[in-house]
Amino acid sequence: GENVEQHPSTLSVQEGDSAVIKCTYSDSASNYFPWYKQELGKRPQLIIDIRSNVGEKKDQRIAVTLNKTAKHFSLHITETQPEDSAVYFCAAKGGGGSYIPTFGRGTSLIVHP
Amino acid sequence: NAGVTQTPKFQVLKTGQSMTLQCAQDMNHEYMSWYRQDPGMGLRLIHYSVGAGITDQGEVPNGYNVSRSTTEDFPLRLLSAAPSQTSVYFCASTRTRATDTQYFGPGTRLTVL
Repeated sequence: GENVEQHPSTLSVQEGDSAVIKCTYSDSASNYFPWYKQELGKRPQLIIDIRSNVGEKKDQRIAVTLNKTAKHFSLHITETQPEDSAVYFCAAKGGGGSYIPTFGRGTSLIVHP
Repeated sequence: NAGVTQTPKFQVLKTGQSMTLQCAQDMNHEYMSWYRQDPGMGLRLIHYSVGAGITDQGEVPNGYNVSRSTTEDFPLRLLSAAPSQTSVYFCASTRTRATDTQYFGPGTRLTVL
């Protein structure tokens, strides 16, 4: 089955800095890569996703890049703000007919004012 | 639409007790799944369903049962609760295709004494 590794587990930045979270996956057939944000005590919510036919996608201050050859994808947050503080999860799905994503273990992002 | 709903929000059980966590969605989604979230472990798949009458095991199915008699409902049963099942449980649903967004319920925080 699919295996998703996510790094780092904790990331601490100053307000205004950029943050980068990286994930690798094992199944070359995976074709959909969503990112979820989970605030304390809340449910995970989709913030951005990318499909395997696209190398990069941006949405205001967040962007995701995908390298299919190396089987890794990354989340980039620019001009971080305290409200960006949360746990971020990457996921991969679609390989071999599976419709259920496999999640990374999460990154706790702390943005200091 | 209410989206994905879960009840109860909080539950305390004694070892050996049984209970059912409820999950319902009103979006006519085909795929539904149950995850447990433990600190540092991310979201681990317990069971999932690709349609009414069809269920399958995920990564950590032991001690849990599911059924899917209708498209809307996907209850999770704990047969004989153990302290190792103390966790936050999330139900999620996806419309149909592998690249569709997964929507999460608000979660159930379960403590087993």
